[in-house]
Amino acid sequence: NAGVTQTPKFQVLKTGQSMTLQCAQDMNHEYMSWYRQDPGMGLRLIHYSVGAGITDQGEVPNGYNVSRSTTEDFPLRLLSAAPSQTSVYFCASSSGQGISTGANVLTFGAGSRLTVL
Amino acid sequence: GESVGLHLPTLSVQEGDNSIINCAYSNSASDYFIWYKQESGKGPQFIIDIRSNMDKRQGQRVTVLLNKTVKHLSLQIAATQPGDSAVYFCAENSVDSSYKLIFGSGTRLLVRP
Repeated sequence: NAGVTQTPKFQVLKTGQSMTLQCAQDMNHEYMSWYRQDPGMGLRLIHYSVGAGITDQGEVPNGYNVSRSTTEDFPLRLLSAAPSQTSVYFCASSSGQGISTGANVLTFGAGSRLTVL
Repeated sequence: GESVGLHLPTLSVQEGDNSIINCAYSNSASDYFIWYKQESGKGPQFIIDIRSNMDKRQGQRVTVLLNKTVKHLSLQIAATQPGDSAVYFCAENSVDSSYKLIFGSGTRLLVRP
C-alpha cells in the first residue's frame, strides 16, 4: 500500500518556466489537497478537491492550477514559476467520511522541494 | 530531503522526561484540533485529535489538552524518547469549512540522550 506518492522529490526551475507536481493516492480517498511549507511557517492550503471533477481554492491559490479527472490523481500546475514559489509542497488525502462526525485526518506524501531561480 | 524551516521555536528535553508542546489557535468556531508530527525528510503524520466539546484526550504516551477559554491547545508526551524528535504542528478544522485544515507554525522537539 503506497499511500500518497509525490513526484518529483526535487525540482529546480527558472523564472517563467512551467511544471506539474504529480500526486497519486491508492487509498480511494475522495478528498485531496495541496499545501506549501515555507521556513518558519506551518503548512498553507493551496487548492483542494472533494472528489473527481471538483476543485476549490485554499488560502494561497494564486499562481497555481489543479484538476481532478480521477479519484487517484491530483496534479498541481505552475504555469509561470516565480521565486516566491520556492517552497516544499505536500499533497495530502483523506476519506472525508468523518467530516461531520470527526476531524479531517489527512495522510501526507513525502513532499516535493521546488526551487525557482 | 524535504524539511521544515530553521527558525521554529525549539523545545529541548532530556530523554525520559515529559514534554509539553503548546499551541494557540485563532478560530473559536473550530470543531476539531489535530496534532501532527513531522520528521526530517517526511510529510506530517497524524498523532491525535480532539473535539471542541472535550477538554482532554489520551492516546499512547500522548495527551492533548484543550482550553477553549484562552484558545490554547497542548500536547503532552510522556517518557520522551529519541524517536520523538521532530517538528510538531497543531491544526484546526471546522465542520462549517469542511475540508479546510489550518496549521500552526510548529515547534521543534529535540530529545537529549
